[in-house]
Amino acid sequence: GDSVTQMEGPVTLSEEAFLTINCTYTATGYPSLFWYVQYPGEGLQLLLKATKADDKGSNKGFEATYRKETTSFHLEKGSVQVSDSAVYFCALRPGGSYIPTFGRGTSLIVHP
Amino acid sequence: GAGVSQSPSNKVTEKGKDVELRCDPISGHTALYWYRQSLGQGLEFLIYFQGNSAPDKSGLPSDRFSAERTGGSVSTLTIQRTQQEDSAVYLCASSLGQGYEKLFFGSGTQLSVL
Repeated sequence: GDSVTQMEGPVTLSEEAFLTINCTYTATGYPSLFWYVQYPGEGLQLLLKATKADDKGSNKGFEATYRKETTSFHLEKGSVQVSDSAVYFCALRPGGSYIPTFGRGTSLIVHP
Repeated sequence: GAGVSQSPSNKVTEKGKDVELRCDPISGHTALYWYRQSLGQGLEFLIYFQGNSAPDKSGLPSDRFSAERTGGSVSTLTIQRTQQEDSAVYLCASSLGQGYEKLFFGSGTQLSVL
């Protein structure tokens, strides 16, 4: 079945460091790919998405590129802030389905 | 309301008791999802409602779990004869409809079964 694999956390960085959170997926067909973020005490919210190969999703300085050849959708940010501390979830929605599959989440902790 | 509302935010119950968890989706959203998040695990899909169509119950882990959605709005997830392995955060999400990919999540209900 369809699945999403994320790197284990927590990821601990100093402010202004470069961030990469790895995400790979297994799916038939052409899924849409997403990153959701969950800030402390809040619900998950959509951060960015990409719907086809080579698409780049971006928002709030975060980027991720849909790589079909490596079945990956890694999240990157050039300079993290303390306010980026949260749990990040990679997800896919298979073509023809309306039900997203989520990864386990990766906790990011950014120190001043 | 401004967002998806879930109640209660925390629920502690004894093994064997029944519990009901409530979700108020965003007004006008026809799609509603329930997920479960256990410690160290990802979000596990439970059930999906879309308008007046029959729900997709393929994720419900056992017949102790059931859900309904009244009037196409509020949803209730019921767990009968709770077990300790049911302890988790139960998340509800809604979207404008099946063609809309963006889900809006509530803050969840933390269920603890003693």
